[in-house]
Amino acid sequence: SQQGEEDPQALSIQEGENATMNCSYKTSINNLQWYRQNSGRGLVHLILIRSNEREKHSGRLRVTLDTSKKSSSLLITASRAADTASYFCATDAWETSGSRLTFGEGTQLTVNP
Amino acid sequence: SQTIHQWPATLVQPVGSPLSLECTVEGTSNPNLYWYRQAAGRGLQLLFYSIGIDQISSEVPQNLSASRPQDRQFILSSKKLLLSDSGFYLCAWSVQGSHGQYFGPGTRLTVT
Repeated sequence: SQQGEEDPQALSIQEGENATMNCSYKTSINNLQWYRQNSGRGLVHLILIRSNEREKHSGRLRVTLDTSKKSSSLLITASRAADTASYFCATDAWETSGSRLTFGEGTQLTVNP
Repeated sequence: SQTIHQWPATLVQPVGSPLSLECTVEGTSNPNLYWYRQAAGRGLQLLFYSIGIDQISSEVPQNLSASRPQDRQFILSSKKLLLSDSGFYLCAWSVQGSHGQYFGPGTRLTVT
């Protein structure tokens, strides 16, 4: 079953604006990850935030995690047309042998030049 | 560096025909391997994952099966395809004990 639920389902912004996507989940997690998918391509791992972390940065990406609300957000600052893609959150039901991810339905981001 | 390959890139198969999709990983040893399916405009559904040769867990009961004949080779199969098997199939790997996954380019399967 899909645990992560992203909102909005679709987001359209102008180049230079910030884009914020949210993810909610239902059960306890070890970590939460964000992935990007260009149309018809494989997913690319963007960032991982552990359950004991509240905020993490990577370049123009900022991820927050609120385990009390079981939610996370991904902020892309100063967006570019090349950021146009689908973005997925995935919760990790980590087992000693490795990660098992449960993906949300994704947010389709369109950045207009 | 590590790379992951999937083939074919696209496939059109009639209902009732067999299926074999292959995934190989280079540049790493003893990876965890995963098969996902993605319906159009949707998220990913985990089908199978493997922590080692001949160690495969099935997440969703269906007419698909997976095998891992070699450490870095993961195969998704079906004896008889259904229309509902159409979708985008993605293979991924992760390092043992790590948490991020690395995805292949995917196979677009259309069952007619």
